[in-house]
Amino acid sequence: DTAVSQTPKYLVTQMGNDKSIKCEQNLGHDTMYWYKQDSKKFLKIMFSYNNKELIINETVPNRFSPKSPDKAHLNLHINSLELGDSAVYFCASSRLTGTPYEQYFGPGTRLTVT
Amino acid sequence: DAKTTQPNSMESNEEEPVHLPCNHSTISGTDYIHWYRQLPSQGPEYVIHGLTSNVNNRMASLAIAEDRKSSTLILHRATLRDAAVYYCITGDSSYKLIFGSGTRLLVRP
Repeated sequence: DTAVSQTPKYLVTQMGNDKSIKCEQNLGHDTMYWYKQDSKKFLKIMFSYNNKELIINETVPNRFSPKSPDKAHLNLHINSLELGDSAVYFCASSRLTGTPYEQYFGPGTRLTVT
Repeated sequence: DAKTTQPNSMESNEEEPVHLPCNHSTISGTDYIHWYRQLPSQGPEYVIHGLTSNVNNRMASLAIAEDRKSSTLILHRATLRDAAVYYCITGDSSYKLIFGSGTRLLVRP
């Protein structure tokens, strides 16, 4: 059973388009995250939601908007895509209490903007 | 959040133990020490975490220095599947993982 799943796995699009990446977790976790890994392999947190409430919002352009319809889902919508948005985006989830920081990551979505 | 320093890369032979060091000299008293790894073309994977005492789990052991300014992740018998980038992360309870550049572990058959 897939714990954290993301769709699509690959996304190729043109500059200026709007796209969404979906994430779902079946672990019963309260907290979900979005990370971005750029071409130099640096992994940076973008957002975190706890019980559908935004708790971490790093310095991310307003073109990026996370949406959490329920605790099991955290989608990432990106407006007016730019070349620099090309990266691998990882979704993750964790429990709010209990083991700190044990985050479970999805397989990633490779976004290519041309 | 405390900054960590790790070697860029390390090599090991298959079935030998591997000791991956991490320095975190500015760690605060409430910061946990976490290790994650990222296999090629996959998302990061939790390995182990600790606060003050050494920890063991099915994947690895974590040895924490008495002053907590450094720690070592120990893989007891490296396999080819353990080839990955290993990240040492310290932080408080803000749920925010701050990844550094990690150590790329190469395992020779």
